[in-house]
Amino acid sequence: DAGITQSPRHKVTETGTPVTLRCHQTENHRYMYWYRQDPGHGLRLIHYSYGVKDTDKGEVSDGYSVSRSKTEDFLLTLESATSSQTSVYFCAISGHLGETQYFGPGTRLLVL
Amino acid sequence: GESVGLHLPTLSVQEGDNSIINCAYSNSASDYFIWYKQESGKGPQFIIDIRSNMDKRQGQRVTVLLNKTVKHLSLQIAATQPGDSAVYFCAENIRRGAQKLVFGQGTRLTINP
Repeated sequence: DAGITQSPRHKVTETGTPVTLRCHQTENHRYMYWYRQDPGHGLRLIHYSYGVKDTDKGEVSDGYSVSRSKTEDFLLTLESATSSQTSVYFCAISGHLGETQYFGPGTRLLVL
Repeated sequence: GESVGLHLPTLSVQEGDNSIINCAYSNSASDYFIWYKQESGKGPQFIIDIRSNMDKRQGQRVTVLLNKTVKHLSLQIAATQPGDSAVYFCAENIRRGAQKLVFGQGTRLTINP
């Protein structure tokens, strides 16, 4: 998985609670991304980062926030989890402009 | 909006045969395309990529063809093996810089012994 780890790998939480997912990379890549994957929707971009403290929204950013205080870590926070946020979350990284994205192993989140 | 899609949601082939997975894209300005393989319970794995200034690119047992005239992308897998069973996604880069990829729904490839 190209030096990418995600934690936790599985989480069950209750509606209304905050949840933070962590992505850690050892490749020193500039760009980091958070996607969610749902049946019938494929992979959809939530947020991405183009450097430390530099982030931007993707197509499904509502209800999510991100932070990147170090090159190697990109955090995704569900401010108040809802059942519609039950999904598999993937982190990805890429280096220079135009390079491909490499994905982590994913985090399976269930919101009850 | 922009979209990337696949012609067939499932594909079943005999072991040893060649597989062809197709993808249509709608953004004529896209300049970079990628094929990913995703096995059950794992993250997408890069297979091969191609830039818009190329028509064909070959890897180990895989070939990607790009037809810009009809906005069509295909992935050919030679001598398909059981380990090729997976979901295959195409993706297009719709914006330079941060490389915002748009993914297709995926095609599930199953191998018959």
